[in-house]
Amino acid sequence: QKEVEQDPGPLSVPEGAIVSLNCTYSNSAFQYFMWYRQYSRKGPELLMYTYSSGNKEDGRFTAQVDKSSKYISLFIRDSQPSDSATYLCASLQGQFGAGTQVVVTP
Amino acid sequence: DVKVTQSSRYLVKRTGEKVFLECVQDMDHENMFWYRQDPGLGLRLIYFSYDVKMKEKGDIPEGYSVSREKKERFSLILESASTNQTSMYLCASSQDRANYGYTFGSGTRLTVV
Repeated sequence: QKEVEQDPGPLSVPEGAIVSLNCTYSNSAFQYFMWYRQYSRKGPELLMYTYSSGNKEDGRFTAQVDKSSKYISLFIRDSQPSDSATYLCASLQGQFGAGTQVVVTP
Repeated sequence: DVKVTQSSRYLVKRTGEKVFLECVQDMDHENMFWYRQDPGLGLRLIYFSYDVKMKEKGDIPEGYSVSREKKERFSLILESASTNQTSMYLCASSQDRANYGYTFGSGTRLTVV
């Protein structure tokens, strides 16, 4: 069993909608988590990182961690076609989810 | 702009060949990593290094080796390429052991025929 699990999607939303992405993790020792965005034929780029409690907001992006349920979420508000990419969650220890492909349609 | 540069975007090699994938970072980062990325499996750690001439096995080191002779350069070696090593290979670096986020290269798409 992978230590970080993520639904691969694809997730298709209309422009302007809220995108909701989720991961689960199994290792209680994980405390820091990162979200990466990966465009086609590119390497992943760091979006944001968050500690294992509460929310962190950065512009249109909000990351949440629910330590009790071992659940990690990323929300993208007012989604744009340029947000179409694969989003990966990861632990500080370098365990990555499989990535969720997001398609934002104009 | 900080960068991790992988020497090749696309490679095609024959079964049994020895393959070298090169990665260079210009950020003076301590840590460097090699991952492979496959559909449905995500990123899997092959090897990593926290210092020059130091290397540690990741989750899937079999069939691979690495070399880090200089701080900025981390090479992945496929000793005898096999078709199941066809994959996207990603190199990454991070500043220190806290690892608050990696900087990735653009990847090398390796096809072994």
